[in-house]
Amino acid sequence: EAGVAQSPRYKIIEKRQSVAFWCNPISGHATLYWYQQILGQGPKLLIQFQNNGVVDDSQLPKDRFSAERLKGVDSTLKIQPAKLEDSAVYLCASSPQVGTYNEQFFGPGTRLTVL
Amino acid sequence: QKEVEQNSGPLSVPEGAIASLNCTYSDRGSQSFFWYRQYSGKSPELIMFIYSNGDKEDGRFTAQLNKASQYVSLLIRDSQPSDSATYLCAVRVSASKIIFGSGTRLSIRP
Repeated sequence: EAGVAQSPRYKIIEKRQSVAFWCNPISGHATLYWYQQILGQGPKLLIQFQNNGVVDDSQLPKDRFSAERLKGVDSTLKIQPAKLEDSAVYLCASSPQVGTYNEQFFGPGTRLTVL
Repeated sequence: QKEVEQNSGPLSVPEGAIASLNCTYSDRGSQSFFWYRQYSGKSPELIMFIYSNGDKEDGRFTAQLNKASQYVSLLIRDSQPSDSATYLCAVRVSASKIIFGSGTRLSIRP
């Protein structure tokens, strides 16, 4: 079974530029998560989708971050414009469905550096 | 604000000894608890989950849960150098949401 795929793996941009990340979850997984992990901290949930609907985006900085999951499969996360404090690893995870033990499977992450 | 607290470490344990990692959480309604291992530069991988009070064993790993004390722990027996990593405690606080602690860095010294 293929795991969660993410691209790119690394991205370096200057502040005020825009960037987009892509995630393809494990086949059949209804729930998709985007996390931000700053060095030395645990992952922080940015947004959660159930199929193509948003379940939780309470911690998404909506003035600069946006995410979509068209067709309920893959997803993109965009930052526009980027700030220095956005430097982090952006992790995508998926799980079979809400209401189970919610075991999440993580992708390799995208390491973003904002200069 | 629902929180998950872990000692950041580093926790240094000799090879072959038992490593004990601890986690406390603030939301009494939490139902499921997870331990993830994260190697440097890698993504988290699930080691164990537990949802009932008591112990749950899987190989060298034992998860312990005490809901009355809002405390969950992970024991690693016969610690190996390959166990050196950051261990993240995660708590399911609602049907859909998991909150992660900041992790404990474990170092196994030969």
